[in-house]
Amino acid sequence: GENVEQHPSTLSVQEGDSAVIKCTYSDSASNYFPWYKQELGKGPQLIIDIRSNVGEKKDQRIAVTLNKTAKHFSLHITETQPEDSAVYFCAASMGGGGADGLTFGKGTHLIIQP
Amino acid sequence: SAVISQKPSRDICQRGTSLTIQCQVDSQVTMMFWYRQQPGQSLTLIATANQGSEATYESGFVIDKFPISRPNLTFSTLTVSNMSPEDSSIYLCSGSRAEQFFGPGTRLTVL
Repeated sequence: GENVEQHPSTLSVQEGDSAVIKCTYSDSASNYFPWYKQELGKGPQLIIDIRSNVGEKKDQRIAVTLNKTAKHFSLHITETQPEDSAVYFCAASMGGGGADGLTFGKGTHLIIQP
Repeated sequence: SAVISQKPSRDICQRGTSLTIQCQVDSQVTMMFWYRQQPGQSLTLIATANQGSEATYESGFVIDKFPISRPNLTFSTLTVSNMSPEDSSIYLCSGSRAEQFFGPGTRLTVL
């Protein structure tokens, strides 16, 4: 089955700096790659996603890049703010987004230092 | 997106008992799923809840332990049967159309 590796496990950045979280996946059949933000005591919240027919997607301060050849995708957050502090999970699936369950990475605890 | 609610939000149960968790979506979704998240850990897919038929379970999860129902396009239940302390976890349901959205989770503690 699919295996998703996520790094780093903890990331501390100064407010206003950029943060980058990286994931790799094992199954070349995976075609959908979402990113979730989870705050303490809450369920994961979808923040951005990318499908395998696209190399990059941006939404305001958040961007995701996908390298299908390397089986690698990354989350980029620019101009970080204190409210960005949370645990971020990458995931992968073969169902194009809606049809299959997700395989998650182990998560990155992002800490924004004031 | 869809708004997903779960009941109960948390519970403390005795070993050997069972708990049924309800998941309600505010609009029709194509698929519904159940995940487990142990404290401080990642999410693991338990099963896909199929409308009107038996759920599809992932490796390591069985129907006798985690029976699932999905009677319609907006509602599903997960039962954790014959609980042991190892079942202490957060159980999350999700619904999907083109993207997958999660409920707030049910925090289960088994004594």
